Amino acid sequence: KQEVTQIPAALSVPEGENLVLNCSFTDSAIYNLQWFRQDPGKGLTSLLLIQSSQREQTSGRLNASLDKSSGRSTLYIAASQPGDSATYLCFPPGGGNKLTFGTGTQLKVEL
Amino acid sequence: GAVVSQHPSWVICKSGTSVKIECRSLDFQATTMFWYRQFPKQSLMLMATSNEGSKATYEQGVEKDKFLINHASLTLSTLTVTSAHPEDSSFYICSAPGTTGELFFGEGSRLTVL
Repeated sequence: KQEVTQIPAALSVPEGENLVLNCSFTDSAIYNLQWFRQDPGKGLTSLLLIQSSQREQTSGRLNASLDKSSGRSTLYIAASQPGDSATYLCFPPGGGNKLTFGTGTQLKVEL
Repeated sequence: GAVVSQHPSWVICKSGTSVKIECRSLDFQATTMFWYRQFPKQSLMLMATSNEGSKATYEQGVEKDKFLINHASLTLSTLTVTSAHPEDSSFYICSAPGTTGELFFGEGSRLTVL
């Protein structure tokens, strides 16, 4: 069963800061890795998808990297904005296809 | 991009009644869909995998007779919470994988059982 750990659990930063969210997982036999954001009381919005053969993906101010062999992924957010405030979840489906989520990183970007 | 739609987005029901939640893939076909439950300030917990044309696969601890799943077509899966009780109040979310393996989520359905 895939175990996912995200660090930090919570983060509060002033607007404009660059920040890094970390994700580690136990089963490196993954198909891909996705980063999501979840706003309170809402579903999940897909941010980035990294295929297992890729090392990184970029979308706007977001950049995600993947080191499959070490079971790590990072999400880099540049020039953070208050609208970035949300819970960020990484999702690496493991080889056993047990699709589990960690508790995510709760981000608050303050004016 | 691909869209997954859930309905209703929120529902309030009396204890003992049954509630059906629909999950639709709007512009793609999904032979598999996933149902999650999320309690306040907690992570998403996988309840079951819905398979078109066959029985759903339930996670350990999830009652099959309580949470009925029907994958009626390649674009529709339904979750019925039978004889709902206050402890079933939660946020239920479905998801479906797209053709590239990317997972798409519905908007979620908040169930409140009085």
